[in-house]
Amino acid sequence: GAVVSQHPSWVICKSGTSVKIECRSLDFQATTMFWYRQFPKQSLMLMATSNEGSKATYEQGVEKDKFLINHASLTLSTLTVTSAHPEDSSFYICSARAPGYNEQFFGPGTRLTVL
Amino acid sequence: GEDVEQSLFLSVREGDSSVINCTYTDSSSTYLYWYKQEPGAGLQLLTYIFSNMDMKQDQRLTVLLNKKDKHLSLRIADTQTGDSAIYFCAERMGKGTALIFGKGTTLSVSS
Repeated sequence: GAVVSQHPSWVICKSGTSVKIECRSLDFQATTMFWYRQFPKQSLMLMATSNEGSKATYEQGVEKDKFLINHASLTLSTLTVTSAHPEDSSFYICSARAPGYNEQFFGPGTRLTVL
Repeated sequence: GEDVEQSLFLSVREGDSSVINCTYTDSSSTYLYWYKQEPGAGLQLLTYIFSNMDMKQDQRLTVLLNKKDKHLSLRIADTQTGDSAIYFCAERMGKGTALIFGKGTTLSVSS
């Protein structure tokens, strides 16, 4: 099956620093990637939809200047949490969709802890 | 509006069947999914069903869809301790759109 990886799997950073999370589709080309956020014991909430070569579409309430998304190639999307604060601590999960497929393939997630 | 509801907990004994229920509000959903999440891990797609189907079976898993009542269920036959996890129901409206997830049902299997 299709594989999606995320890097890093976990990261701890100081408040005020920026953190970049990578999402890669390893064996297929993903025209669309999605970024979700999951708080403890909560569901996944969509943050943004990322289409290769164009600007990401952000969900209501998600600050685009704080969560920078770049989908520069068909196999890589990055999420940068700028000036991170403790309330940004969460589990960030990406998914990727290939053209013609009904399924989204999810990455293993990145746990961000901001001190 | 879009909303997916699930019961939060289910506890069963090993060998019994588990039934996890989900309701959704948007009748224009095209696909409905079941994902499994083990502690600290990402999501594993278990199965999905197209909205024009009533039932789908895949080994120990049976999905039932009642489109009239907007009700989806996942039955796990012969539940094992390894099935203990959080199960998410999700709906997708159209092609290329993101998924809307329920809050997840924590399945606890005791031996």
